[in-house]
Amino acid sequence: GAGVSQSPRYKVAKRGQDVALRCDPISGHVSLFWYQQALGQGPEFLTYFQNEAQLDKSGLPSDRFFAERPEGSVSTLKIQRTQQEDSAVYLCASSPGQGGQTNEKLFFGSGTQLSVL
Amino acid sequence: AQKITQTQPGMFVQEKEAVTLDCTYDTSDQSYGLFWYKQPSSGEMIFLIYQGSYDEQNATEGRYSLNFQKARKSANLVISASQLGDSAMYFCAMNQFYFGTGTSLTVIP
Repeated sequence: GAGVSQSPRYKVAKRGQDVALRCDPISGHVSLFWYQQALGQGPEFLTYFQNEAQLDKSGLPSDRFFAERPEGSVSTLKIQRTQQEDSAVYLCASSPGQGGQTNEKLFFGSGTQLSVL
Repeated sequence: AQKITQTQPGMFVQEKEAVTLDCTYDTSDQSYGLFWYKQPSSGEMIFLIYQGSYDEQNATEGRYSLNFQKARKSANLVISASQLGDSAMYFCAMNQFYFGTGTSLTVIP
């Protein structure tokens, strides 16, 4: 597809379950970003990749959160032992350049809405 | 510390009128970029406009313009001739990492 694709669109998990959220960026985009957007808030940066290298993971809220992009294209955000406070929309974005650049816009997916019961 | 502040949780504008959405930022960096994104109810954030910190001219993209006042650290979005389809959340962002809390814009017919 032409845009950033995220799946699933909605995910309901019981507290304590592990979840995996997928992001398929625009073909050829070097950088990939993950954000967490709580209800009524702006996106909060979680982590980003330049190709397969995870260059910044300072926004990951705990060691239950893990992201990977093993072949430099598709990325997966994994949350282990989910808790209610993990309920949010998880947005993925990509950009053509190397990431961290001040002049490069982001292309976003539609997000995955995670609800932890 | 880098920070984006949007103080207007919600705004209303009459169709065909202009509206200004406020954004202030805080950074000690000399080089930075300011962005505005639109998020309709579908959830996908859409890029609207970009302003570089060294750009002397205010950015414009169709009906969108950015009122950049560097000394005041503000980067307000101006939407001219509002349309019903402009109803959405609007986020100001700095670089690729920092977003404000957003402003919900409702266009009234």
